[in-house]
Amino acid sequence: ETGVTQTPRHLVMGMTNKKSLKCEQHLGHNAMYWYKQSAKKPLELMFVYNFKEQTENNSVPSRFSPECPNSSHLFLHLHTLQPEDSALYLCASSQAGGPGQVVSYTFGSGTRLTVV
Amino acid sequence: AQTVTQSQPEMSVQEAETVTLSCTYDTSESNYYLFWYKQPPSRQMILVIRQEAYKQQNATENRFSVNFQKAAKSFSLKISDSQLGDTAMYFCAFMMYSGNTPLVFGKGTRLSVIA
Repeated sequence: ETGVTQTPRHLVMGMTNKKSLKCEQHLGHNAMYWYKQSAKKPLELMFVYNFKEQTENNSVPSRFSPECPNSSHLFLHLHTLQPEDSALYLCASSQAGGPGQVVSYTFGSGTRLTVV
Repeated sequence: AQTVTQSQPEMSVQEAETVTLSCTYDTSESNYYLFWYKQPPSRQMILVIRQEAYKQQNATENRFSVNFQKAAKSFSLKISDSQLGDTAMYFCAFMMYSGNTPLVFGKGTRLSVIA
């Protein structure tokens, strides 16, 4: 257990469904991230939240909607997905003390999403 | 924008032997971090080793060491005395120096350690 917990571990959903992925961290970190990991592609950054504020949206389609109600929880709301959205979705959190200070970066185990 | 390139999609090594995984990157920044992460079948992304760009000395962690060539923008990982448990995907990653900034990953190298 790394301190970053993702649920569910596996999810199969139809293209018309609405579902949510959850990420929770108990490390006291102040930033959280969503990454998408597809086969034979680099991990793609989707969203960044610093102190609960979204600071980066990496041209992600609107069918993915993030929510960060507090610094410990991060959600990814999914609706009307396409089969090409099937992937492993990884959550991460980090804590930086300031410029030049080493960042502690921790990943969850991911949610394997299959869109049918 | 920063990019990370791993040119070896797959590699294999005999148990107890040494293997080197390659990574190159492109950035205009002078201060940054470089990482190697390991992802076994459990999907957990595990930090293997970290290098601060301002440090000339190559980082080492037990059987893992790096060859950091800043001018060449090269950051290779050497695994000595390979063990079956080293079988995994290995990702090279870049991060800028200040604050909470995202990691930029390469495509990964799948390493198989053969008994």
